[in-house]
Amino acid sequence: DAGVIQSPRHEVTEMGQEVTLRCKPISGHDYLFWYRQTMMRGLELLIYFNNNVPIDDSGMPEDRFSAKMPNASFSTLKIQPSEPRDSAVYFCASSWSMGGARTEAFFGQGTRLTVV
Amino acid sequence: AQKVTQAQTEISVVEKEDVTLDCVYETRDTTYYLFWYKQPPSGELVFLIRRNSFDEQNEISGRYSWNFQKSTSSFNFTITASQVVDSAVYFCALRINNQGGKLIFGQGTELSVKP
Repeated sequence: DAGVIQSPRHEVTEMGQEVTLRCKPISGHDYLFWYRQTMMRGLELLIYFNNNVPIDDSGMPEDRFSAKMPNASFSTLKIQPSEPRDSAVYFCASSWSMGGARTEAFFGQGTRLTVV
Repeated sequence: AQKVTQAQTEISVVEKEDVTLDCVYETRDTTYYLFWYKQPPSGELVFLIRRNSFDEQNEISGRYSWNFQKSTSSFNFTITASQVVDSAVYFCALRINNQGGKLIFGQGTELSVKP
């Protein structure tokens, strides 16, 4: 398996523009997570899905952020409009349930977002 | 509240030295999982180990070993005979069983191994 695939790897955009980050989880995994990494706040969970359904979005910073998972093999994280403080590395991760226990999360390589 | 503390922000060692990365966690839950991840300079997060709260047996994998002690709420990570390729940021994380898949990360320890 190719692992969790994120695109783009790097994104530079101007303030006010819409940004869409994409993620393809590992095939067969039923959990998908979006994390954000910044120097100030470290790694923090934004939202996660189970079987394509959002379970906990309490980490989404504000209404400018939205996430979707239209099917088991694709998810998007959208920021509209983007602001300089959204600059961070965004990670997607996936895991699966095995006998009721969840395995460890496997992370993608991340998308480095810079908003200027 | 749940929390993970990695008190060592940066550690610098010379190749072949042993080094221990500390991790202290806080939770009132009895069922939880602990993890270590490695983030090399290339930026990805690489899974190293998972431990559940009912298994205090220490684990060794090559040059890596982990010491889990519930009495002190610690899950420390030791690299024996460190190598330059071990240079990375290492994260300890906590997952509470009844809180879905949310990982609570420590702030990370940046390990620099010099030749």
